[in-house]
Amino acid sequence: QVQLVESGGGLVKPGGSLRLSCGVSGFTLSDHYMSWIRQAPGKGLEWISYISSSGKNIYYADSVKGRFTISRDSAKNSVYLQMNSLRVEDTAVYYCARGGTRSLTWFDAWGQGTLVTVSS
Amino acid sequence: DILMTQSPATLSVSPGERATLSCRASQSVSSNLAWYQQKPGQAPRLLIYDASTRATGVPVRFSGSGSGTDFTLTISSLQSEDFAVYYCQQYNFWYTFGQGTKLEIK
Repeated sequence: QVQLVESGGGLVKPGGSLRLSCGVSGFTLSDHYMSWIRQAPGKGLEWISYISSSGKNIYYADSVKGRFTISRDSAKNSVYLQMNSLRVEDTAVYYCARGGTRSLTWFDAWGQGTLVTVSS
Repeated sequence: DILMTQSPATLSVSPGERATLSCRASQSVSSNLAWYQQKPGQAPRLLIYDASTRATGVPVRFSGSGSGTDFTLTISSLQSEDFAVYYCQQYNFWYTFGQGTKLEIK
């Protein structure tokens, strides 16, 4: 059974940092592209970053470029999102999502999400 | 960026009736379009990919159609569990989601 479980969310002050983790099971992490997608309270979905199955290709949405860093550790079956210089507008539920075995596909499995609140 | 526009924002339909949700892309996305269902407090669930292919375990009452810029999600006979928010998403050029259509009980 495919499972993704996010952790690491919480309350942080503007300018602070957080590191989100996504532990996966039920599939081989190194076979899949993985993304982080967020949803601000009461709002829609925003893709923010992906990392390729090899880990060599990484992309970010303009809204987080230069502040967020995605990484993966296949030995630990985990994907990470290091978030620095956090802003109030980064407040959202952050989902880890599984993409396909190639770039630019749909997301067929999602974690339950972890809430990040940026507030003074 | 490709803008995805969903309509209507809210759709009121009675159980047992058909629901038709629309999604329009600002430029062609070919058939690189997915539909998701999201219930309150839950993560999105994949329903349709490649515009018309049902994901594993999705009931046959859900169907998708369209290509290029205009897409439709049809739910043929609404069940109580179908009332939720639905998002379309293009993956032709990076990823963009529509703003969602809330399907509510009439």
